[in-house]
This record gives sequence, structure tokens and C-alpha cells, in this order.
Amino acid sequence: EIVMTQSPATLSVSPGERATLSCRASQSINSHLAWYQQKPGQAPRLLIYGASIRATGIPARFSGSGSGTEFTLTIGIVQSEDFAVYYCQHYNNWPPITFGQGTRLEIK
Amino acid sequence: QVQLVESGGGVVQPGKSLRLSCAASGFTFSLYTMHWVRQAPGKGLEWVAVIASDGSNENYSDSVKGRFTISRDNSKNTLFLQLNSLGAADTAVYHCATNYDTNGFDAFDIWGQGTTVTVSS
Repeated sequence: EIVMTQSPATLSVSPGERATLSCRASQSINSHLAWYQQKPGQAPRLLIYGASIRATGIPARFSGSGSGTEFTLTIGIVQSEDFAVYYCQHYNNWPPITFGQGTRLEIK
Repeated sequence: QVQLVESGGGVVQPGKSLRLSCAASGFTFSLYTMHWVRQAPGKGLEWVAVIASDGSNENYSDSVKGRFTISRDNSKNTLFLQLNSLGAADTAVYHCATNYDTNGFDAFDIWGQGTTVTVSS
């Protein structure tokens, strides 16, 4: 099973700042990585797939990068509505599909 | 619009069974692989099971293998998850999900709102 590790567990930023979230895979997953945003009481929302492809309707301030085992989600200018929990997920050579444990983006 | 709506959750005693449903609308359900993903209270996301578009193949996480069964009825645009031998660790919100508009990548862009399963005596 591929283990996905996210860092940091909590990231504190002020609105208008840049946020950088990391995800590491225990073995190479090529570019088979997705990022999700989840707000309390809601289903996850797909932001990025293929490591860097924005999903339909996702604002350009969200960008993804990386390949192999190291990946990054960057929020260029954090807006108030971006404070949430973010998960990475691999879909390389599955099953099983696995998720990271999440990074909470909170207001500084 | 493209939508998934789960139902069937509830409070169940340890060792008992439950059947969850996921009704699909707004897309050609029979063309899409479908998944169940769960989230225990205050915890992260856990992939549970997958079924091929025609129902010919299914796979499970190790934590539910042998206890849960995923199935589908393409004539009724409905996905199911049969949960047997339930334990406290199965308490979670259960979401159905699929990759609808992701160019074939197995990332989930369509999610249901979830149905809550609580295992408690």
C-alpha cells in the first residue's frame, strides 16, 4: 500500500498571503495525484488531478506541481473561503487508493 | 445536473448489517466506475470499495474485505454497499463518488453528500 504523508498538519496564514501545502508518497506515483478541499459538513471538492490539472471551475489561484514522490499545492493569494482541510490522494497502481491525513489551513 | 445522493445510514448495533444506496442522476451511470469513500468522525478520508461500470469487477480496502459488498443496478442508476459484521470502527460518513470529468484519471470530481453510519450498542 502506498502511504501518503502531508505536511504540515496545520498551516496558519493571513488572507492575501501565499500558502504552500506538501504531500509525499512512499513510492513513485508518477503524476497520479489529486488534491481535495473539504469544509465542515461538506463533501470533498476536487481541486487538482494529474498533479497539476485544475478541475472544472477551480480558480487559477490554486496550482499543483510535482511528480514521483513529492507534490505541492499552492494557493497563490489565500481568500477567506479557502480556509478548510486539504487532502492529497494517489491513484497509481491501485487498489487501494489512499489519501493523506490532511492539512488544515487556518486563519492566522 | 450531475448528482449523487446517498441514503440508508442509521444507528446499528455491533455485529449487525446495513445496506447503503447511492442514487445517480444527470449522467449515464452505466458508463462510470463507482467508489465508496468513508470518513470517521474528526478523521480523514478512507477509500472503501470500487465497482466497474458493468459490475464485472470489484475491489475493497483490507479493512472491509470479507464484510462489505459493493454492487450496482444500472437499470435503476443506483449503487449499493452492503455492510455486514459492523464494528465501532465502521462508524463514519459514507460517500459515493466517481470520476466524471477528469479525462479518465481516477480522481473523484463528483461526490454525494454522504450518509452517516453509527455503530453503537
